[in-house]
Amino acid sequence: GNSVTQMEGPVTLSEEAFLTINCTYTATGYPSLFWYVQYPGEGLQLLLKATKADDKGSNKGFEATYRKETTSFHLEKGSVQVSDSAVYFCALNAGGTSYGKLTFGQGTILTVHP
Amino acid sequence: ETGVTQSPTHLIKTRGQQVTLRCSSQSGHNTVSWYQQALGQGPQFIFQYYREEENGRGNFPPRFSGLQFPNYSSELNVNALELDDSALYLCASSLAPVYEQYFGPGTRLTVT
Repeated sequence: GNSVTQMEGPVTLSEEAFLTINCTYTATGYPSLFWYVQYPGEGLQLLLKATKADDKGSNKGFEATYRKETTSFHLEKGSVQVSDSAVYFCALNAGGTSYGKLTFGQGTILTVHP
Repeated sequence: ETGVTQSPTHLIKTRGQQVTLRCSSQSGHNTVSWYQQALGQGPQFIFQYYREEENGRGNFPPRFSGLQFPNYSSELNVNALELDDSALYLCASSLAPVYEQYFGPGTRLTVT
């Protein structure tokens, strides 16, 4: 079946540090890949997406590249801010069905200190 | 443009009871998906409704059921509540079944 594996957390960084959160997936076919962010007490917000191999999604300084050969979609940001503290979820939509079921990883907690 | 809204925000129920959660989709969206997010976990797909019909279902028992109304709002009903049903329930709407999903803030259900 389809699955998403994220790096173990929590991740704690100082402001302006470089961020990488690893994400690998297992899926049949050609999935679309997503990163969602969840701030405390809130629902999920779409951060970025990529729909085919070698696509790079980007938003708010975050980037992720769809790597089919390594089945990965790692999230990066060059300089994190305290306001980036949140839980980050990698997800896929495997397609091939009539409905858009998202399969999520377990989430990675990011804490950024001043 | 109004985003996805959910009600209530929080709910406390007793084991064995029934609960109804509500979701209003974003303007122009005809598809609603429901997810269960246990504490410290990623969301799990419950089911999706498209044009008032169930359009796909995850690995949840039949006591989890839903409805979608002509205005595309939706309800999630859970019968015979169990302690493990305690979770954040998220609703997401989209323009069509396989399009990008936009999430509401969720309903926190506690079963005691």
